[in-house]
Amino acid sequence: GAGVSQSPSNKVTEKGKDVELRCDPISGHTALYWYRQSLGQGLEFLIYFQGNSAPDKSGLPSDRFSAERTGGSVSTLTIQRTQQEDSAVYLCASRNQGTQYFGPGTRLTVL
Amino acid sequence: GIQVEQSPPDLILQEGANSTLRCNFSDSVNNLQWFHQNPWGQLINLFYIPSGTKQNGRLSATTVATERYSLLYISSSQTTDSGVYFCAVEYSSNTGKLIFGQGTTLQVKP
Repeated sequence: GAGVSQSPSNKVTEKGKDVELRCDPISGHTALYWYRQSLGQGLEFLIYFQGNSAPDKSGLPSDRFSAERTGGSVSTLTIQRTQQEDSAVYLCASRNQGTQYFGPGTRLTVL
Repeated sequence: GIQVEQSPPDLILQEGANSTLRCNFSDSVNNLQWFHQNPWGQLINLFYIPSGTKQNGRLSATTVATERYSLLYISSSQTTDSGVYFCAVEYSSNTGKLIFGQGTTLQVKP
C-alpha cells in the first residue's frame, strides 16, 4: 500500500515568510508525528496527533510553529515568520501497532 | 531526559564484512526501533524491537531491556547498506514519541 507522503519535497523561502508543510499518513493510522532533522540537533520530536487532537506539542520550538490535522488524516505544519534557524528537513511519521513509518521529508531552506 | 547513545559514530567496511552497531539508553523504555536513512534521506524502518532478538535477512537485532542496550548486526555487508543507522526509543507510553540517537554513519566500499 501507499506509504507516508509529504509535500513539497523542497521549499526555499525568504526570511520572514510563512510556510506550510503537508503530510498524508498511511490510511487508517490514527497516530501522526512531526519531527525535524537538522545538522546541529539531529532528529527531534515536534508534535504528536492522536486523531485530530494534539496531546503533545512539547517539541514545538516556538509559538511561530503550529500544526493541525483534519479528518484524522492530513496534517499541516505551519511556520510563521520563518528564520534561518528553521532550515531543516521536516519529517512526518504515522504509527501502527507501535511501529512508526516515515515519509520522505520536506527540506526547508530559509534564505 | 533520557539519553540515547550510539556507537561507533562512523564505520567504514569492505563489502562482505560483518558489523555490530550499538545503542545504549539511560532509562527504561517502552519500545525501540532501528532505522536506516538512505543517501536520499528516507528513513526506513528496520526493526521494532523492545526486547529479544529479531532477524530479517542479513540484518538482525537484539535488545536487552534490563541492561539498557540494543545491538544491530549487519552480515555480509553490501554497498547498498551504506547510510546512517538510527536507534530510537519510545520513552513515554502516552504518546509514543521517539527519542533518537545521533546515528552511526556506515560506508561500505566495493
